[in-house]
Amino acid sequence: NAGVTQTPKFQVLKTGQSMTLQCAQDMNHNSMYWYRQDPGMGLRLIYYSASEGTTDKGEVPNGYNVSRLNKREFSLRLESAAPSQTSVYFCASSRSHPETQYFGPGTRLLVL
Amino acid sequence: QQQVKQSPQSLIVQKGGISIINCAYENTAFDYFPWYQQFPGKGPALLIAIRPDVSEKKEGRFTISFNKSAKQFSLHIMDSQPGDSATYFCAASMNNAGNMLTFGGGTRLMVKP
Repeated sequence: NAGVTQTPKFQVLKTGQSMTLQCAQDMNHNSMYWYRQDPGMGLRLIYYSASEGTTDKGEVPNGYNVSRLNKREFSLRLESAAPSQTSVYFCASSRSHPETQYFGPGTRLLVL
Repeated sequence: QQQVKQSPQSLIVQKGGISIINCAYENTAFDYFPWYQQFPGKGPALLIAIRPDVSEKKEGRFTISFNKSAKQFSLHIMDSQPGDSATYFCAASMNNAGNMLTFGGGTRLMVKP
C-alpha cells in the first residue's frame, strides 16, 4: 500500500499561473482533505470531501477549487496563483469519524 | 478564529527530560483529540489520541492528559530522546459529516543529547 500520494513534490509558479495538485489514496477511505501549512499557523483546511461526489469548503477556501474525481482521487486547483498561496499543501484521507487521518508527503509551492 | 490554541511554539528539552505541550479548545462539541507528529519534509502522522470520556491515555513514553471542565489537554513525552525532535500538533474534531480536524499552531520540539 502506497497510502496517500501527492504530485508534484515541488512547484514554482509565477503570479497568475494556474496549476492542479493531485492526490490519490489506496486505502478505500471515504473522506479526503486538502490542507495548507504555514509557519506558526498549523494546518488549515482548504476543502474536504466527506464522500465520493461531495465537496465542501473548509477554513481557507478562497482562491482554490477541488474535484473529487472518484473515491481514490481528490485534486486541488489554483486558477490564478498569488504569492499568498506560497505554502506547503497536504492531502489527507480518513475512513470516518473519529478515525485517523492519513497524510501525504506534501507539495511545496512557491508563487513568485 | 483559532479554535485550538497550542503552546509553547518551541521547546528545548535535554535528553531524558519531560516534554510538555499544552492545548486549549473552545468548542464543547469536539469529541476527539489527536496529537500528530511531523518530521521535516514529511506529512504529519498520528501519535496518540483521546476521547473526552477518559482523563488520561498512555502509550509508551507518550501520555495525553485531558481536562474536560477546563477545556484543555496536554501531551507529555517522558524520557525525551533526540529522535523525538519534531513538530507536534494537537487537534480536535467532532462527529460531523466531514470528520474535519481543527489543528493547533504546532510546537517545534528539540531534544538535546
